Amino acid sequence: EAQVTQNPRYLITVTGKKLTVTCSQNMNHEYMSWYRQDPGLGLRQIYYSMNVEVTDKGDVPEGYKVSRKEKRNFPLILESPSPNQTSLYFCASSFSGGFYTDTQYFGPGTRLTVL
Amino acid sequence: GQSLEQPSEVTAVEGAIVQINCTYQTSGFYGLSWYQQHDGGAPTFLSYNALDGLEETGRFSSFLSRSDSYGYLLLQELQMKDSASYFCAVLGAENYGQNFVFGPGTRLSVLP
Repeated sequence: EAQVTQNPRYLITVTGKKLTVTCSQNMNHEYMSWYRQDPGLGLRQIYYSMNVEVTDKGDVPEGYKVSRKEKRNFPLILESPSPNQTSLYFCASSFSGGFYTDTQYFGPGTRLTVL
Repeated sequence: GQSLEQPSEVTAVEGAIVQINCTYQTSGFYGLSWYQQHDGGAPTFLSYNALDGLEETGRFSSFLSRSDSYGYLLLQELQMKDSASYFCAVLGAENYGQNFVFGPGTRLSVLP
C-alpha cells in the first residue's frame, strides 16, 4: 500500500530535550516536505527536499533541522524544543515539486506537546 | 513574501453548490492546488491547476486565473461527508526552489 508514515503519532516532551520525528514514504517520491498546522494558520511549510541531499527552508524553519540521506526518509529534528513548537506536524511527499503534478500525499500527523 | 486568502467559513445545504474562492500573492508561481481535511485527519489532495481554466473531477471542479491571481473550488451536489476544511495552496518558486504555501483554510458545513 502506497503511504507516508510518521512516528511517533503523539509525543509529550519538555523544553530543551532533543527529539526526532521520522517520516518515510514507499512511493519513490523525489519531493518531501514537513509542515506544521496551528489553528487559524493553515499548514506552514517548515523544510522541503527536492531530492536526496537537497533541502531548502520553507516559511518557518527556525528551530528545526532536517536531513535527506535516503530517498524514502526525511526526519525532522528539534534540537532544543520550546513550547512555541507545540503543534500538529505533517510529513508529505510527491512525485515532483510540481512540474507534472502537485499531488502531495500526507502522513497521518504527529501531535507534539512541549512543556 | 507569499500569502493566500480564502473565506474562513462557508455553510450550505445538502444537494447545493458551493464555491470557495482563493486569492494569492506569490513570488514565482507553478500552480494552485486544493486539499480537503476532515477533523482529526490528514489533508488529502483534490485538484491542481497549472494553467488558466477549469479542471473537473467528479463533483469537484477547480478554476484558475493566473492574470487575476485567483482561483476557486466548486463543489456540486453537496453531501454531508463534504463537511471539512478546504485549503488552497500555491506551489511557488521562492529562492529558486519549489515551496508550498497554504491558505488559512475554509471550513465548510453541510446542513441536512
